[in-house]
Amino acid sequence: NAGVTQTPKFQVLKTGQSMTLQCAQDMNHNSMYWYRQDPGMGLRLIYYSASEGTTDKGEVPNGYNVSRLNKREFSLRLESAAPSQTSVYFCATGEDYQETQYFGPGTRLLVL
Amino acid sequence: AQSVTQPDIHITVSEGASLELRCNYSYGATPYLFWYVQSPGQGLQLLLKYFSGDTLVQGIKGFEAEFKRSQSSFNLRKPSVHWSDAAEYFCAVGSGGYQKVTFGTGTKLQVIP
Repeated sequence: NAGVTQTPKFQVLKTGQSMTLQCAQDMNHNSMYWYRQDPGMGLRLIYYSASEGTTDKGEVPNGYNVSRLNKREFSLRLESAAPSQTSVYFCATGEDYQETQYFGPGTRLLVL
Repeated sequence: AQSVTQPDIHITVSEGASLELRCNYSYGATPYLFWYVQSPGQGLQLLLKYFSGDTLVQGIKGFEAEFKRSQSSFNLRKPSVHWSDAAEYFCAVGSGGYQKVTFGTGTKLQVIP
């Protein structure tokens, strides 16, 4: 069981470039989440998906889009990267109704 | 809106000493409460959670936390800290739906010999 996997582990982008962060889970959870973690700010929710086929905005959605491709996969896309999007991005899955979340190892993104 | 406050950004304890990390929450009803731990370069791992019932909750790695409704607190404790406990600890509060979890800003724990 791999749990929650994220690719890539590390990425450097130039301002204006686009990229997609991938997340996959083998836990058979319905809920999936994307967070960003910045020093002194904890984790902030970007988008979430309560189930396959649905997505909703979180606290900081601007500049991002998501796709819930199927039950296993939830991707995060930066269409035009900005230095303010330099962060560590975490994908997580959730057990329905109990909100315990299981996190991937993270993707470190640097936007120059 | 729910919120979480972790008043201590950084705590240093000696190995073998006891530990208490503070967490205060704001939520109108009975909250779902969590403590997560993050080792350097890793994702977050659940230590323990409280939904209902006994207000003293036992978790992994010898940690426990106590829910005190009157103080809106959910402090994390460990009787004897090990060097491997050095990490960042996050308190979180949920509302019972599966999309509303708010994380605190974290407390970084340093353990000295």
